[in-house]
Formats: sequence, C-alpha cells, structure tokens
Amino acid sequence: AQKVTQAQTEISVVEKEDVTLDCVYETRDTTYYLFWYKQPPSGELVFLIRRNSFDEQNEISGRYSWNFQKSTSSFNFTITASQVVDSAVYFCALSAAGGTSYGKLTFGQGTILTVHP
Amino acid sequence: DAGVIQSPRHEVTEMGQEVTLRCKPISGHDYLFWYRQTMMRGLELLIYFNNNVPIDDSGMPEDRFSAKMPNASFSTLKIQPSEPRDSAVYFCASSLRGQWSEQFFGPGTRLTVL
Repeated sequence: AQKVTQAQTEISVVEKEDVTLDCVYETRDTTYYLFWYKQPPSGELVFLIRRNSFDEQNEISGRYSWNFQKSTSSFNFTITASQVVDSAVYFCALSAAGGTSYGKLTFGQGTILTVHP
Repeated sequence: DAGVIQSPRHEVTEMGQEVTLRCKPISGHDYLFWYRQTMMRGLELLIYFNNNVPIDDSGMPEDRFSAKMPNASFSTLKIQPSEPRDSAVYFCASSLRGQWSEQFFGPGTRLTVL
C-alpha cells in the first residue's frame, strides 16, 4: 500500500515570507512518481510538478522549489517570497508501479496555505 | 486546446434520485480518472479507465455507483439512487500515460443530495 502524509493541516504566513510545505510518502516500490498539485479557492486542481524516483535533483521554478530526499522519503515544497495569490490548498501525491496500486494517484490530505497581505 | 470538461458544474437533487455526471477528457489522452473530494475523506480515486476500458474500480463506494466510457471522448459517473452522504465534489481527470504523466483535472461537479 502507498501513503502520503502532509503533516501541516494549515499554514498562515504574511506576504513575502518563505514557506515550506512538508510531504512524506510511503511505498514499497522502487519506481514511483511524486507530484504536487495546487487547488486555489476556485476549486480546480492545477498540476505543479512531477518527479520520478530516480531523479533526486532539486528543482526550482521561479519562486517555487522542491526538495526530494529518498533517504527520508520526503518531497517538500518551498515558496519563496510568498504572495497572496499563493493562497490555496496544496496536495502532494504519489503514483507507484507495483501491485494493486498500479496506475493510481494517492493524495495526501492537503495543506491549506493562507498568505496575508 | 480545451481542458477537461465536466458537466454539470453544480447539481442539487433529492435523495433517491438518479444523478449523472459527465466528463470529456483532453483529446488524445488515454487515461481517464474519476475522483471524489470531501472534507472528511479528502481526494479519493473512484475508478479509472485506459483506452475506454475500466481498469480499477475498487474505489467505487458501492453498487449505487457506476461509470462508463463508451468512447474516447466521453465518460459518465452515475449514482442511483443518490443519498445525502454522496454530497461531494466529483472531479474527472485525464492523462497521456497514466501514472507516469501528470493528470489534468476538470473543474469538478459539486453535488448536493438533500
């Protein structure tokens, strides 16, 4: 079975602060993909990033960066200089290759981020 | 290109009625997924299709739920009879290569069963 845990239920920051959203995953498969999705107040889910289990390089995209560490089974997401428009629910998700989990995307419970002006 | 299209966006119905949710995936995507989102259970995968064939329906809550994909551009999720506990946001998503690629989500259908 696979599992994704986002320990932070809610985070509140003031604009321009940096914020890190934690994600810890569990899987027995050696081949898997990790994802982050954003769900703004409008409700749709927006894809942010995909990372496969063989690529531990960190990635930066503008104000967003991701830190993937297999040793700790974590895939954390950092927003630098947060803005009000970053306010949303952020989901970490895992898709693994093996057994009954094949083809399925397992989501964490989500972290509600509120950025105050 | 148009994204995933879902209809209706909102549905209010009474307990016992049949509800049909519709989805049009992105053209060329071979995988289609149905999810349900509630406060209590978060995002749950209900069923997914590959090339119009249901691959895994283990997430479908019970026999009242059924899903079909008669062709590559259309899928339905039906609840009959509906119950208040079915109230949720139902998302349809599609992807090019299943688990290996990102899923593109529709805007969702907010279902309220009174």
